[in-house]
Amino acid sequence: GAGVSQSPSNKVTEKGKDVELRCDPISGHTALYWYRQRLGQGLEFLIYFQGNSAPDKSGLPSDRFSAERTGESVSTLTIQRTQQEDSAVYLCASSLDSVRVGAFFGQGTRLTVV
Amino acid sequence: QKEVEQDPGPLSVPEGAIVSLNCTYSNSAFQYFMWYRQYSRKGPELLMYTYSSGNKEDGRFTAQVDKSSKYISLFIRDSQPSDSATYLCAMGLTGGGNKLTFGTGTQLKVEL
Repeated sequence: GAGVSQSPSNKVTEKGKDVELRCDPISGHTALYWYRQRLGQGLEFLIYFQGNSAPDKSGLPSDRFSAERTGESVSTLTIQRTQQEDSAVYLCASSLDSVRVGAFFGQGTRLTVV
Repeated sequence: QKEVEQDPGPLSVPEGAIVSLNCTYSNSAFQYFMWYRQYSRKGPELLMYTYSSGNKEDGRFTAQVDKSSKYISLFIRDSQPSDSATYLCAMGLTGGGNKLTFGTGTQLKVEL
């Protein structure tokens, strides 16, 4: 596709359930990022993938959060045992090699934990 | 203290006004700077990026970076109602894992 695609666009889940969020980056983009945006707050870095290098997981808030990416393709962000504070918009972005030329964001997945 | 500070607004201006949006930062190692626009319930959209101090112009938008003051600005000329959105500044480090650090965003409303 022409842009970064995320699915689902909305997800409502019960507290304690696991959720999986998907991101399809722009074709050819080697770098992929996950960010979280809570209501009224800025974007919070979660994890960064660059090609086959080890991912930068420094932003993951707890061990309930994990992400995978196969090569330079799709990525999934998994949240286990969801809590109400996990409610947020989860944004995925991709960029050509270096983010110095800008990262392109998907529309996000709005997660609501009830 | 946050690494990047941005006034959340809201900022309300009349159509045709010149808008000035600003961010300050504390980490002098930041080397590249970007502005994103985010409409309600949409993902951020890259507007401009720059590496160096000085001005960069693109249509009605001008990005300004002052590294000595650790201050960046985005100017919007002849503002339109369609410019109403939240504007996010972002910055990054060369060799810093390509991670962007964002401001919290300034909400702009351009009124008819």
